[in-house]
Amino acid sequence: DAGITQSPRHKVTETGTPVTLRCHQTENHRYMYWYRQDPGHGLRLIHYSYGVKDTDKGEVSDGYSVSRSKTEDFLLTLESATSSQTSVYFCAIAPTAVNQPQHFGDGTRLSIL
Amino acid sequence: AQRVTQPEKLLSVFKGAPVELKCNYSYSGSPELFWYVQYSRQRLQLLLRHISRESIKGFTADLNKGETSFHLKKPFAQEEDSAMYYCALDNKAAGNKLTFGGGTRVLVKP
Repeated sequence: DAGITQSPRHKVTETGTPVTLRCHQTENHRYMYWYRQDPGHGLRLIHYSYGVKDTDKGEVSDGYSVSRSKTEDFLLTLESATSSQTSVYFCAIAPTAVNQPQHFGDGTRLSIL
Repeated sequence: AQRVTQPEKLLSVFKGAPVELKCNYSYSGSPELFWYVQYSRQRLQLLLRHISRESIKGFTADLNKGETSFHLKKPFAQEEDSAMYYCALDNKAAGNKLTFGGGTRVLVKP
């Protein structure tokens, strides 16, 4: 398995609180991605990064921010969590080369009450 | 805009029966397509990519540009094939972003 660690694996929090999810990789891959997985929607891209301090929005970026200060870490922050952000969040990584598949972490199950 | 459609949310088959998961896409360029599999509460794993033209765990998928499809097939389903399957399209022009279909749950009954 690709060296991807997501933390925490599970979290329950209340509406309005800030939440930060961490993705850590040991593969030195350039690209990192955050997705959310919801029934019927598959996985939808939230934000992605193509290098240190280089990030861009995905399909469902509203309410989320990201930061990448080091190659190995990609943080996803919910500034003020809402119940609609209850989901399973997956991080993925890919090397620089085009046409290389993405490899996924184990996911973080986030519940916002 | 690119789009991936998996019309079946659930496929239930008996062990030993053939199974086909449909995937249709819309994309203006030359597509790069993948099938990912997610076993119960595990991470997504790459199953197939169309440029490899390989068979993994007995599954094959052929890209049909005329029909804009990339259906996944297995002639004899096994119980361990029960999982969630996602078709994904790679937007090579924009940071290798993947667009996923909604997923198909496969249940193989004994």
